[in-house]
Amino acid sequence: SQELEQSPQSLIVQEGKNLTINCTSSKTLYGLYWYKQKYGEGLIFLMMLQKGGEEKSHEKITAKLDEKKQQSSLHITASQPSHAGIYLCGADGDSGYALNFGKGTSLLVTP
Amino acid sequence: EPEVTQTPSHQVTQMGQEVILRCVPISNHLYFYWYRQILGQKVEFLVSFYNNEISEKSEIFDDQFSVERPDGSNFTLKIRSTKLEDSAMYFCASSGGDETQYFGPGTRLLVL
Repeated sequence: SQELEQSPQSLIVQEGKNLTINCTSSKTLYGLYWYKQKYGEGLIFLMMLQKGGEEKSHEKITAKLDEKKQQSSLHITASQPSHAGIYLCGADGDSGYALNFGKGTSLLVTP
Repeated sequence: EPEVTQTPSHQVTQMGQEVILRCVPISNHLYFYWYRQILGQKVEFLVSFYNNEISEKSEIFDDQFSVERPDGSNFTLKIRSTKLEDSAMYFCASSGGDETQYFGPGTRLLVL
């Protein structure tokens, strides 16, 4: 079965700094999703990537999928306290539409 | 903006009791899902539902679990006889034609 490894597990950055979160898959990714989860709350959809080399941006967040479609990165530029939360990568499973998730990266942005 | 809603937000129950978690998916979506997240662990898939039947389920989704779409708007997850290990956050999600799943805010279930 597919395993998604996220790194780092947790991250503390100063407001205004850039940061990158990585998601590595044990298998080829056919659909890679990034979600943000505030502590104890639901998952908020950020972006979806499907094609090798694809890159998408929304506000200060950029997500990329590598050419081999086994690794994705999420980059936040000029971080703000509102970016704090847990970032989850999810991928389409071997069959159907079930999503497999990584364990998440916990981000704290300090003033 | 359309969103998935879930009720109740919190549920406390005694071991062995039945619970029903409710979800209202986004109105024009056709695919519905339940996931759970045990405290400190990753989000795990339970079941997907399409065209009034289960399309996929995980090993977690055993005979104690069932899903139903009793009317045109609600989607429910029933746990027949709750166990301590069923304590978790349960998320409902729905998707339309583009496969992106939109999640609800979750129901926190505590089994005592």
